[in-house]
Order: sequence, then C-alpha cells, then structure tokens
Amino acid sequence: NAGVTQTPKFQVLKTGQSMTLQCAQDMNHNSMYWYRQDPGMGLRLIYYSASEGTTDKGEVPNGYNVSRLNKREFSLRLESAAPSQTSVYFCASSKQPRGLAGGEQFFGPGTRLTVL
Amino acid sequence: RKEVEQDPGPFNVPEGATVAFNCTYSNSASQSFFWYRQDCRKEPKLLMSVYSSGNEDGRFTAQLNRASQYISLLIRDSKLSDSATYLCVVIVEASGGSYIPTFGRGTSLIVHP
Repeated sequence: NAGVTQTPKFQVLKTGQSMTLQCAQDMNHNSMYWYRQDPGMGLRLIYYSASEGTTDKGEVPNGYNVSRLNKREFSLRLESAAPSQTSVYFCASSKQPRGLAGGEQFFGPGTRLTVL
Repeated sequence: RKEVEQDPGPFNVPEGATVAFNCTYSNSASQSFFWYRQDCRKEPKLLMSVYSSGNEDGRFTAQLNRASQYISLLIRDSKLSDSATYLCVVIVEASGGSYIPTFGRGTSLIVHP
C-alpha cells in the first residue's frame, strides 16, 4: 500500500497562475483533508471531505477550491495564486471523520509551493 | 484565541530526562484527541490516541482532563530520537453534525546528549 500520495512534491508559481494539487489514498478511507502549514502557525485546515460526495470549508478556505473526484482522490485548486499562498500543503485521510478508532489521520509527504 | 493551544518551546532536555507537554482546548464539544509527531520537513504521524481513562505506550503516556479541558503527553527516559515537534489534535463536533480536526501549533522537543 502506498498510503497517501501527493503530486507534485515541489512547485513554483508566478502570481496569478493556477494549479491543482493532487492527492490519492489507497486505504479505502472515507474522509480526506487538505491542510497548509506555515512557520509558527501549525497545520490549518483548508477544506475537508467527510465522505465521498461532500466537501466543507475549514479554517482558511479563501483562494482555494476542492474536488472529491471519487473515494480515493481529493484535489485542491488554486485559481489565481498569490504570494500569501506560499506554504507546505499536506493532504490527509482517515477512516471516519471522528472517533479514536476511525479518526486517526494519515498524511501524504506534502507539496512545497512557492508563489513569486 | 486559538481553539487549541500548545507551548511552542523548545523544550531542551538531556537524554534520560522525563518531559511533559500540555495542550489546552477551548471547545467543550471536543470529541476526540490525538498526539502526532512531526520531524523536520516531514509529514505528521500519529503518536498516540488519547483515551478518556489515559493510556500508555512504552515510554509515552497520554492523559485527558475534560474538566480543565487539556490533554497531556509524558515522555519518560528521553532518547535523542525523540527530538521532534509534537502536535496535539482535537476533533470538534461543529454545527450541522460535521467533525472538524484542529491542530495545535506544536511543541518542539530537543533531546541532547
């Protein structure tokens, strides 16, 4: 099992460009998440999908859109990148959105994005 | 005020020491609690779930105090390899029946020889 995979690993964009970050999991998990991590800020939830067919905003959704393409895949799109979106982006998945048994999240290796 | 607060540290301790971290949360609807470990420039990985009655895994002990709204992590006999950032995570039941995970900013631990 590959677990959670993310592509690309690194990306440099110019202000105003768009891009999509891809995430896939092979653990048959129901819930998937996108976070950003900035120095001194910890992980902040951008969007999440509690189950296939649903998506909800997290703490910092502005400037982003998501698509839960199927149970395995959850993509994050930046329509018009801004320097403030320079960050490390992590995708995660969990069996269920809650509970000690199902709420454990498994993370991908991250995408390091720089917006110039 | 952030919903989940941690002392950022760093906690600088010698090998063999015992060290404890606390994490406070503000939402009484918090439902599940976890500790994750994150090494520099890597993804977070689950260290322990936190059970209501407390739980232990080798040198690590996690406790939950619902009355005072905090969780704790105790590391005994610290190893050099324990050097990392420790993140607490609280899952909160939000309006509409959704469940939202919220991370603390992390506590940095440095174990030195």
